[in-house]
Amino acid sequence: DAGVIQSPRHEVTEMGQEVTLRCKPISGHDYLFWYRQTMMRGLELLIYFNNNVPIDDSGMPEDRFSAKMPNASFSTLKIQPSEPRDSAVYFCASSPQGGWEKLFFGSGTQLSVL
Amino acid sequence: SQELEQSPQSLIVQEGKNLTINCTSSKTLYGLYWYKQKYGEGLIFLMMLQKGGEEKSHEKITAKLDEKKQQSSLHITASQPSHAGIYLCGADRRSNYKLTFGKGTLLTVNP
Repeated sequence: DAGVIQSPRHEVTEMGQEVTLRCKPISGHDYLFWYRQTMMRGLELLIYFNNNVPIDDSGMPEDRFSAKMPNASFSTLKIQPSEPRDSAVYFCASSPQGGWEKLFFGSGTQLSVL
Repeated sequence: SQELEQSPQSLIVQEGKNLTINCTSSKTLYGLYWYKQKYGEGLIFLMMLQKGGEEKSHEKITAKLDEKKQQSSLHITASQPSHAGIYLCGADRRSNYKLTFGKGTLLTVNP
């Protein structure tokens, strides 16, 4: 298996632009998570899905952030409009039913908003 | 405030030295997970601890859980440059099906 695949690896954009991050979870995994990592706040959970349904989005910072999972093999995290404080590494992770020890992370998307 | 406090924030050791990283929770622990992150990459699962007093080892890395103190320690024996990276602890809160992480400890091992 190729693991969790994220794209793009790096994204540089200007303030006000729309940013879309993409994730392909491991086949057969029922849970998908979006995390954000910064030096100041560490690794924060933004939202997670179970069987394509958003379960908890309490970590989504603002209405500018939205996430979708149209099918079991694809999810997007969108920021519109983007701001410099959104600059961070965004990780997608997936796991099968139950067991955090089976949480697999993608390589992340390094987002820089100028 | 941070639910999981890791110490130290960063650590530089000479190859061959032993080291310990600590993770303290401000809330009840139902499970404690250790992950390692290399620069520019995602997290990789190391070990899971679920019972008080539990101790697990993987190669030269040993982790312990002190349920009463709500604390876990990660110990590396005879460190090697391959051990370098960011070590993060994660806590299972049970009540909300989230895995909450500490800010991490950056480990540098000098050859």
